[in-house]
Amino acid sequence: GAGVSQSPSNKVTEKGKDVELRCDPISGHTALYWYRQRLGQGLEFLIYFQGNSAPDKSGLPSDRFSAERTGESVSTLTIQRTQQEDSAVYLCASSFTGETQYFGPGTRLLVL
Amino acid sequence: GQNIDQPTEMTATEGAIVQINCTYQTSGFNGLFWYQQHAGEAPTFLSYNVLDGLEEKGRFSSFLSRSKGYSYLLLKELQMKDSASYLCAVRGWVNSGAGSYQLTFGKGTKLSVIP
Repeated sequence: GAGVSQSPSNKVTEKGKDVELRCDPISGHTALYWYRQRLGQGLEFLIYFQGNSAPDKSGLPSDRFSAERTGESVSTLTIQRTQQEDSAVYLCASSFTGETQYFGPGTRLLVL
Repeated sequence: GQNIDQPTEMTATEGAIVQINCTYQTSGFNGLFWYQQHAGEAPTFLSYNVLDGLEEKGRFSSFLSRSKGYSYLLLKELQMKDSASYLCAVRGWVNSGAGSYQLTFGKGTKLSVIP
């Protein structure tokens, strides 16, 4: 079946603009994760959705970042008033509860 | 909290064997994963260990010692295409909100395979 998909694959925006990133998880996967990876750095956990439970937002770096997920389907990560430091690859992963995570191709965000 | 350490970079010769080590401290350990990430691409799953011992999968093997908080990834018969970053990730209990198991990634080991 299809893997995790993300859109857009690349996004260039101006400082101060809002951006919305989308993730389509593997069908049937109850868990969905967002990570950020700055150039040459490791993966930084942002947020975790598990079924209909309240999401774990402990990794969100500021209140400019928010994410939503409808049921066990699509998720959107929104960054408001983008800053240059937000430039990174944003990776989404999905899994069955507690199992191996499968990653999407990522969205490369560049804030000018 | 959770802490994961792995070497930043390694270089090895085509055809050789290389071992990438990972040490970790975590609460509520519930598994250790290795992922491979080629430059500019998303991580892909390589292996999973939850019990002590060696898991072999083709040219790749992964070892875990829970008492030592230690794992390694062993790559045999290295090929040029194995040049990539190798990420060690530990699933542990995080007391955030209601609490949950979360995967914490190390910074990755960049492996360069040379002819």
